[in-house]
Amino acid sequence: DTEVTQTPKHLVMGMTNKKSLKCEQHMGHRAMYWYKQKAKKPPELMFVYSYEKLSINESVPSRFSPECPNSSLLNLHLHALQPEDSALYLCASSQDTRLVNTEAFFGQGTRLTVV
Amino acid sequence: AQKVTQAQTEISVVEKEDVTLDCVYETRDTTYYLFWYKQPPSGELVFLIRRNSFDEQNEISGRYSWNFQKSTSSFNFTITASQVVDSAVYFCALSEDDKLIFGTGTRLQVFP
Repeated sequence: DTEVTQTPKHLVMGMTNKKSLKCEQHMGHRAMYWYKQKAKKPPELMFVYSYEKLSINESVPSRFSPECPNSSLLNLHLHALQPEDSALYLCASSQDTRLVNTEAFFGQGTRLTVV
Repeated sequence: AQKVTQAQTEISVVEKEDVTLDCVYETRDTTYYLFWYKQPPSGELVFLIRRNSFDEQNEISGRYSWNFQKSTSSFNFTITASQVVDSAVYFCALSEDDKLIFGTGTRLQVFP
């Protein structure tokens, strides 16, 4: 199983809503990532979890709150988002965080629209 | 600072043509890894290859081949006999510790 599964695939939310994005992998990977991708742009790193601990936060606004309940799951809690936060949110995992040692596997993403 | 440049924004070819996607990178690290990912319309980034900075051998995998030249800091990707299913955005990326530095991507359209 080399899959990273993300739910939901599509999400429309209002600026006052609270929602969560979910990501799951069963490859035994110890590093998990959230990326944000705007249309026609490359993915941009948001957060890195290593062994269930947050190791990198790329100065992401606090309206995005990551959570890693266990080694297989990664959530991204959303609250009070802005329309400019509309994007494709990609989850990824890798054997460890040293990307010189391994490749990252990506999910299909959640296409988020904030109205 | 690390940087990856994919100068070709969009390429259109007709099926069965060969096509080369260019990637030029900048890094001060002596040890680094380069990657290519494919992103079809479904959105998922599909891993294609990882190459370390000490291995300049060209690699071939089916219709795909990669040409790594350290002297010109390039890691180009060629698809031979392209097919419609190859239509996607292709990203070149460079490793920096725990991060992937992506290029801006090249959109490849293969027409029947």
